[in-house]
Amino acid sequence: RKEVEQDPGPFNVPEGATVAFNCTYSNSASQSFFWYRQDCRKEPKLLMSVYSSGNEDGRFTAQLNRASQYISLLIRDSKLSDSATYLCVVPNNAGNMLTFGGGTRLMVKP
Amino acid sequence: EADIYQTPRYLVIGTGKKITLECSQTMGHDKMYWYQQDPGMELHLIHYSYGVNSTEKGDLSSESTVSRIRTEHFPLTLESARPSHTSQYLCASSETRSSPLHFGNGTRLTVT
Repeated sequence: RKEVEQDPGPFNVPEGATVAFNCTYSNSASQSFFWYRQDCRKEPKLLMSVYSSGNEDGRFTAQLNRASQYISLLIRDSKLSDSATYLCVVPNNAGNMLTFGGGTRLMVKP
Repeated sequence: EADIYQTPRYLVIGTGKKITLECSQTMGHDKMYWYQQDPGMELHLIHYSYGVNSTEKGDLSSESTVSRIRTEHFPLTLESARPSHTSQYLCASSETRSSPLHFGNGTRLTVT
């Protein structure tokens, strides 16, 4: 099983829609999870950490499902400015560093 | 608020030239990383370092080399640039192996 997998998309949604991305991981001992946002031709930027209890930051909610080994990112009331690639970050199988998923591309249309 | 700096931001150079991409961070992080990313593609780890005088190759084979003589500085060198090296190179650092990475704004390299 790959260390981390994401649906590459693109997800094309209208403004105001709610959209969710999942990211599966293979290291069952993983403790640290993150979501990053990357705009075209820019560096990835930390969006939010993912805690066991889930966490919310404004329109963004991140959740962890340990039993099924995936993390999710929910975006409510999508804005045009949310258009970007969203990268999940999880520990690698050796547990000695973080590894990035291939990213899910989101396009929010007027 | 950038605490990790990469220079140059853009570089166009001819085949066969030796180049060094600079990366410096002011956060005192022991862990530093170099990634290569083509437009619209995923990040590939090419080198990492967990401290001074410690460097390792990443998942993607690269003809580049790195050094870590000082904690804050992690330069990447290509001895002889080729068109296949054209890409964006991103440097990052983290406090621990499980802490989030902080990225520089990248160097976009074009080899003609």
